[in-house]
Amino acid sequence: EDKVVQSPLSLVVHEGDTVTLNCSYEVTNFRSLLWYKQEKKAPTFLFMLTSSGIEKKSGRLSSILDKKELFSILNITATQTGDSAVYLCAAHLRGAGSYQLTFGKGTKLSVIP
Amino acid sequence: DVKVTQSSRYLVKRTGEKVFLECVQDMDHENMFWYRQDPGLGLRLIYFSYDVKMKEKGDIPEGYSVSREKKERFSLILESASTNQTSMYLCASSYGLAGVDGELFFGEGSRLTVL
Repeated sequence: EDKVVQSPLSLVVHEGDTVTLNCSYEVTNFRSLLWYKQEKKAPTFLFMLTSSGIEKKSGRLSSILDKKELFSILNITATQTGDSAVYLCAAHLRGAGSYQLTFGKGTKLSVIP
Repeated sequence: DVKVTQSSRYLVKRTGEKVFLECVQDMDHENMFWYRQDPGLGLRLIYFSYDVKMKEKGDIPEGYSVSREKKERFSLILESASTNQTSMYLCASSYGLAGVDGELFFGEGSRLTVL
């Protein structure tokens, strides 16, 4: 059974801290890994990773994929209260599963002033 | 900007009622999806559709059906709502003629409470 596991499930940090969110996956026919940020409403897309070792960066957020060890991390530097959200990762499969994303349960990040 | 619109943000229904959740996307996407999101369980796929009148079961289709009569619209139907269907329902769409080709675009969700 395909599985995506995120850790920690929740995290509380102070503004200015750096955080690392983890996502490991066990899926057949892996194609890509996606990260989403969900505040109170719709999840919004952050990154899609398909190749190992290539960091994707957007402002204070960055992410990298390790296809050998089957995990990805999402880093947020100099956190702000606006970073408070649930962060979701999802594995996208090739072939017969190519319409589906398998989501982890999410990491709830709370940034306090 | 891609827009996925869910017509009802909040609904309260009684056990046994029929419930329709509507979703419309404006970017001519081939693929549309219905997920439910519950605390501690994450997002789980109910049904998806890769073309008009085509539908496929996801991981938890029991108690649900769907309809896609037009490319832009994907409806989720609860024939006889039950309390365990109280949840947040998220609609999503994506490009891709043979699968998801990149990110999913999500609607803002419909929070359904079944009493």
